[in-house]
Amino acid sequence: EVQLVEAGGGLVQPGGSLRLSCAVSGFDFNTHSMSWVRQAPGKGLEWIAFLSSGSSSIYYADSVKGRFTVSRDDARNSLFLQMTSLTVEDTAVYYCARDTIRGSYLTDFWGQGTLVTVSS
Amino acid sequence: EIVLTQSPDTLSLSPGESATLSCRASQSVRTYLAWYQQKPGQAPRLLIYGASNRATGIPARFSGSGSGTDFTLTISSLEPEDFAVYYCQQRDIWPPVTFGQGTRLEI
Repeated sequence: EVQLVEAGGGLVQPGGSLRLSCAVSGFDFNTHSMSWVRQAPGKGLEWIAFLSSGSSSIYYADSVKGRFTVSRDDARNSLFLQMTSLTVEDTAVYYCARDTIRGSYLTDFWGQGTLVTVSS
Repeated sequence: EIVLTQSPDTLSLSPGESATLSCRASQSVRTYLAWYQQKPGQAPRLLIYGASNRATGIPARFSGSGSGTDFTLTISSLEPEDFAVYYCQQRDIWPPVTFGQGTRLEI
């Protein structure tokens, strides 16, 4: 069974930093690209980062570029999102998601998410 | 950036009826369009990929169609568990990956 479990969310002050992690199981992590998607309270889905298998390709949404860094540790079956210079607009549930390839890339499994609240 | 516009924003129907949800892209995304269902407090779930392919375990009452800029998700004979928010997503021209704003399907 494919499982993705996010951790590391919580309350942080504006300007602060936070590191999210995503532990995966049930599939060969090192052969899959991964994405982070967030959802502000009551709002829609926003893609924020992509990391290919082997870390050869990394992409970010403009809204987080230069502030967020995605990485992976294949030995630990884990995905990470380092977030810095956080603002209230970064308040959201953060989902890690597995990508697969069906012609093009496709996000096929999602974790349950971890809530990040940026507030003073 | 590809903009996806979903319509309607909210759709009010009853169990047993059919639902038709629309997703329009600002430029062609060929058939690299997916549909996701999200229930309150839950993660999104993949329903349809490649515009018309049902994901594993998705009931046959869910179907997708379209190509280029106009796509449709049809849910025939609504079940109570189908009332949720539905998002389309394109993966043809990216980054960025983009989502529609969502359609809320309510009773």
